[in-house]
Amino acid sequence: KAGVTQTPRYLIKTRGQQVTLSCSPISGHRSVSWYQQTPGQGLQFLFEYFSETQRNKGNFPGRFSGRQFSNSRSEMNVSTLELGDSALYLCATQGQGHNEQFFGPGTRLTVL
Amino acid sequence: GESVGLHLPTLSVQEGDNSIINCAYSNSASDYFIWYKQESGKGPQFIIDIRSNMDKRQGQRVTVLLNKTVKHLSLQIAATQPGDSAVYFCAENNANNFNKFYFGSGTKLNVKP
Repeated sequence: KAGVTQTPRYLIKTRGQQVTLSCSPISGHRSVSWYQQTPGQGLQFLFEYFSETQRNKGNFPGRFSGRQFSNSRSEMNVSTLELGDSALYLCATQGQGHNEQFFGPGTRLTVL
Repeated sequence: GESVGLHLPTLSVQEGDNSIINCAYSNSASDYFIWYKQESGKGPQFIIDIRSNMDKRQGQRVTVLLNKTVKHLSLQIAATQPGDSAVYFCAENNANNFNKFYFGSGTKLNVKP
């Protein structure tokens, strides 16, 4: 069974630009959660999608958004990038009825 | 402003010894807990989980202990190996929050050969 995949793995952007990251869950997993990991703040929850609906949200500004498609693949978007958005962005997926959360390798975003 | 990096506590153990990594969680309503291992450049890897109706759960070479009275979680690794060197995180969840997990700041395990 293939694991969680994230693309791209690395990304360099400049301040003010926007970025879209993609996450493909494990086959059969319908829940996709996104996390931001930084040395300063650790792992912080961004949002969770289930059946194309956002059902949970963390404390991030509206510049951070996401969506989920009918095949459970998810994207997150960050607009008007700031230097502080430099981080490892991780997605995690879960199957129905289970709580085990499996992470992808992450997308390393650097904002210059 | 300038951000301050999290100071990760480090546990150094000799290969073959047992390791105990501790975690204090914050929410007394949390009812599900996971331990993750994160190696450099990789995403967190699921190790073991435990629900709040249990005090102890064992896996292969790992044991998780849960003390709800003091909101404390521990991960025991038996016969620690160099490949166990990584950062270990505990994560807590409440079923009412669906799959929103809160993560601890992590502990760096350094295994000396």
